[in-house]
Amino acid sequence: EPEVTQTPSHQVTQMGQEVILRCVPISNHLYFYWYRQILGQKVEFLVSFYNNEISEKSEIFDDQFSVERPDGSNFTLKIRSTKLEDSAMYFCASSESSDRWYGYTFGSGTRLTVV
Amino acid sequence: GENVEQHPSTLSVQEGDSAVIKCTYSDSASNYFPWYKQELGKRPQLIIDIRSNVGEKKDQRIAVTLNKTAKHFSLHITETQPEDSAVYFCAAPSGAGSYQLTFGKGTKLSVIP
Repeated sequence: EPEVTQTPSHQVTQMGQEVILRCVPISNHLYFYWYRQILGQKVEFLVSFYNNEISEKSEIFDDQFSVERPDGSNFTLKIRSTKLEDSAMYFCASSESSDRWYGYTFGSGTRLTVV
Repeated sequence: GENVEQHPSTLSVQEGDSAVIKCTYSDSASNYFPWYKQELGKRPQLIIDIRSNVGEKKDQRIAVTLNKTAKHFSLHITETQPEDSAVYFCAAPSGAGSYQLTFGKGTKLSVIP
């Protein structure tokens, strides 16, 4: 079964540092998403990306966040200056183009710890 | 935007019993309702979903029902097994044409052997 792959699985960073979280969506998917989940809480939407541009973003996705599809396979989330409250599990997801809800699949996540 | 309420927050059942988890949503234009299972430290995994043109959908021991008039949908697990123990999340699109899912707060299901 196709998978969404995320690296690294765990990242520890100092407050104020920049981090880049990487995702490889399923190969024939054209919609890409980032979500986050603070420990013990619900999954929250950050941003969706289609046709090389942001489709939607939540109020969490402020100026310190950015997304990029640098090549044909990777999809990245950059946090410019990390804060303690950015500590969370970050999930990438992707879905098909013909029906954006079809095959909506989450990656295994990156646990980000800001110290 | 969409508001999704999920109940109960915790649920304990004896092995072999049924479990029911309920969600309500606020946006009447929402048309897709997935349920995710999340084991500790792992990704949310889609277990079943339903579209707004269908009232019920079954997949072996799992079923989902949708009441569009009342704006609620429910997950039913029959003949529960210890491996069903996990956190279950419902979700709904954040409005017509939205690409994002709004999740409920989750239900921690414990199946007691």
